[in-house]
Amino acid sequence: DAGVIQSPRHEVTEMGQEVTLRCKPISGHNSLFWYRQTMMRGLELLIYFNNNVPIDDSGMPEDRFSAKMPNASFSTLKIQPSEPRDSAVYFCASSTGQGQAFFGQGTRLTVV
Amino acid sequence: GEDVEQSLFLSVREGDSSVINCTYTDSSSTYLYWYKQEPGAGLQLLTYIFSNMDMKQDQRLTVLLNKKDKHLSLRIADTQTGDSAIYFCAEQRVVAGTALIFGKGTTLSVSS
Repeated sequence: DAGVIQSPRHEVTEMGQEVTLRCKPISGHNSLFWYRQTMMRGLELLIYFNNNVPIDDSGMPEDRFSAKMPNASFSTLKIQPSEPRDSAVYFCASSTGQGQAFFGQGTRLTVV
Repeated sequence: GEDVEQSLFLSVREGDSSVINCTYTDSSSTYLYWYKQEPGAGLQLLTYIFSNMDMKQDQRLTVLLNKKDKHLSLRIADTQTGDSAIYFCAEQRVVAGTALIFGKGTTLSVSS
């Protein structure tokens, strides 16, 4: 298996633009997580899905953030409109639900 | 407190042992994890310990768990320059379902 695949690896966008981050979890994993990493706040859990259903989105910072998982092999995290303070590395991770999470390489987002 | 706490920096000499400490929050956490992050990369699972264990050894890595104090430590024996990275402690809180909650990470710097 290729592991968790995220795209793009880097994204630079202007303030106010819509940004969509993509994730393909490991095949057979039924839990998917979106995390955001910044120097100030470390790794924050934004949202997680179990069997494609959002279980806990209490970490989503604002209504500008939304996440979907239309099927077991794909998820998106969308920011609309983006702001400079959204600049961070966004990680997707998946697991079988028994604990151990496998991380993607992350998407480094810069909003200017 | 609510956070998983770690010291931010640790500096050691090559060949010495490194000990990275962590305090977690949920006494009913089932698994506790150590992840490693190298520059520009995602998080890799190093090791984990089930909550009914006190110690786990895996080659150069030793994990100690003190449930009473909610204290977790990672000892790296014979530390090498390749061990330089950020090390994250994570707990699987019962209230968070299968999601992992991370500390802010400890940056380990190994000098030769």
